[in-house]
Amino acid sequence: DGGITQSPKYLFRKEGQNVTLSCEQNLNHDAMYWYRQDPGQGLRLIYYSQIVNDFQKGDIAEGYSVSREKKESFPLTVTSAQKNPTAFYLCASSLSLGKVSFFGQGTRLTVV
Amino acid sequence: AQSVSQHNHHVILSEAASLELGCNYSYGGTVNLFWYVQYPGQHLQLLLKYFSGDPLVKGIKGFEAEFIKSKFSFNLRKPSVQWSDTAEYFCAVIPFYGNNRLAFGKGNQVVVIP
Repeated sequence: DGGITQSPKYLFRKEGQNVTLSCEQNLNHDAMYWYRQDPGQGLRLIYYSQIVNDFQKGDIAEGYSVSREKKESFPLTVTSAQKNPTAFYLCASSLSLGKVSFFGQGTRLTVV
Repeated sequence: AQSVSQHNHHVILSEAASLELGCNYSYGGTVNLFWYVQYPGQHLQLLLKYFSGDPLVKGIKGFEAEFIKSKFSFNLRKPSVQWSDTAEYFCAVIPFYGNNRLAFGKGNQVVVIP
């Protein structure tokens, strides 16, 4: 059953701690993306990757980091430098940049 | 950078009413256009897309959208909504050339009252 898996669905962390969100896809897609969704803000692009071992900053990359060591995996680390990390995070993938994106179920991160 | 505008963030209407959601974008070149829908508790999924050809595109669940290049618009329509259409709808645009980054609008929260 092909798709995108994000884990966990809910995540709680204390302020000042780094946290890594998982995103795995078995669609054999080259491109992967991380978005942040806030109420009334739509989806804002954090980082994206066209291909393995390559990634680019999106519109709101500050305080976040990513890696793309494997085609199927694109983990996002929310660092302590991110000023407002509590949000809903969505991972997506597409065959290549510009093609239809498929989304995961999302991870809701709450920092207390 | 391209931007995408969606107006009337909250829309409330009764079943059988017609729905139209506006989407305007700022990018002047060739673009690919999408509407995504997020039903309560579910992941974001594609409703319809326009890459080229007939500017009137039909998607799932009776939705359609019309691309009007001169107005930089890609409005979504459904003639008669159902309660199950309650969801958040997002317009997205990606330039054919350039940075190939998908830009989303802020979304329309649609509530259909039975």
